[in-house]
Amino acid sequence: GENVEQHPSTLSVQEGDSAVIKCTYSDSASNYFPWYKQELGKGPQLIIDIRSNVGEKKDQRIAVTLNKTAKHFSLHITETQPEDSAVYFCAASRSTDAGGTSYGKLTFGQGTILTVHP
Amino acid sequence: EAQVTQNPRYLITVTGKKLTVTCSQNMNHEYMSWYRQDPGLGLRQIYYSMNVEVTDKGDVPEGYKVSRKEKRNFPLILESPSPNQTSLYFCASSLSFPLRYNEQFFGPGTRLTVL
Repeated sequence: GENVEQHPSTLSVQEGDSAVIKCTYSDSASNYFPWYKQELGKGPQLIIDIRSNVGEKKDQRIAVTLNKTAKHFSLHITETQPEDSAVYFCAASRSTDAGGTSYGKLTFGQGTILTVHP
Repeated sequence: EAQVTQNPRYLITVTGKKLTVTCSQNMNHEYMSWYRQDPGLGLRQIYYSMNVEVTDKGDVPEGYKVSRKEKRNFPLILESPSPNQTSLYFCASSLSFPLRYNEQFFGPGTRLTVL
């Protein structure tokens, strides 16, 4: 099955700095890579995702890059703000299993606690 | 309001006492899933369902059961809870699958403690 490794486990930055979180995956058939933000006491919320047919996607201060050859993808947050402080999770999924049947598994990384200091 | 609801939000129980955590969505979503969240391990998928009467194991299904008799509900059943099932549980749903084309929405979580 898929295995997703996420680093670092904690990240502390000053307001206005950039933050980068990296993930590696093991299943070369994975083709969907979402990133979730989890605020204290809440469920995860999708903030950005990337599919395997593109190498980079940007949405305002957030960007995600994907290197299929190396099997790693990264989340980049620029001009960080205190409200960006949260736990961030990467995940990986494939559309079908080895037999071609639709596939519903989603494998998460271990999470990164991001703290942005004012 | 479109949402995923879970009940109860907090539960303390004892080893071996059967319990059910309910999950309901009002968005007519086909896909529903259960995850557990443990420190240092992230979220791990327990079971998922692609539609009514269709369920499949995730990565950590041992000790859990699910059913999908109606589209809106996806209860998680612990027939004989053990302390290693103490965790934070999340239910999620999406319009359809594969997930690469359908955003997944999470419920608020259920904090379960098994003594």
